Amino acid sequence: EVQLLESGGGSVQPGGSLRLSCAASGFTFSSYAMTWVRQAPGQGLEWVSLISHSGENTYYADFVKGRFTISRDNSRDTLYLQMNNLSAEDTAVYYCAKGTGGNYGGRFDYWGQGTLVTVSS
Amino acid sequence: EIVLTQSPGTLSLSPGERATLSCRASQSVGSDYLAWYQQKPGQAPRLLIYGASSRATGIPDRFSGSGSGTDFTVTISRLEPEDFAVYYCQQHVDLPWTFGQGTKVEIK
Repeated sequence: EVQLLESGGGSVQPGGSLRLSCAASGFTFSSYAMTWVRQAPGQGLEWVSLISHSGENTYYADFVKGRFTISRDNSRDTLYLQMNNLSAEDTAVYYCAKGTGGNYGGRFDYWGQGTLVTVSS
Repeated sequence: EIVLTQSPGTLSLSPGERATLSCRASQSVGSDYLAWYQQKPGQAPRLLIYGASSRATGIPDRFSGSGSGTDFTVTISRLEPEDFAVYYCQQHVDLPWTFGQGTKVEIK
């Protein structure tokens, strides 16, 4: 059974940092691209970042470029999102999602339960 | 960036009725790169339809998708109580991947 378990969310002040993790199991993690998608309270879904199966290629939405860094450790079956210089607009539930391909995997067949990030003073 | 516009914003229907949800893209996404997701309150989204018309694993056949280019539709032939949820379309032909704003299917 495929499982994705996010952790690392919490409350942080504006300008602060957080590191999210997503532990994967039930599939060959190193074969699939992975993505972070976020959802602000009461709002829709917003793609944040993508990493290829090897970790060689990464892509970001403009609104996080230069502030967030996606990475993965295929030896630990874990995906990460380092978030720096956070602002109130980054307040959201952050989901990790498994892509269906290795390099882009732009559709997401499995999702974690999400982890809430709250940015507030 | 490809903008996806979903309509209507809210659909009020009774169980047993037919639901038709639309998604229009600001430029062509072909047919292979359009997906639909279902999201229930407090839950993660679930893949419903991929490639515009293929049902994901475990999705009942009352759900069907159609369309190509810029206009796409998902139809629920007869609404079951568990189908009342928010539905999102998503394109993955071009980065950044984008989602529509969602259609809420609510009980009338």
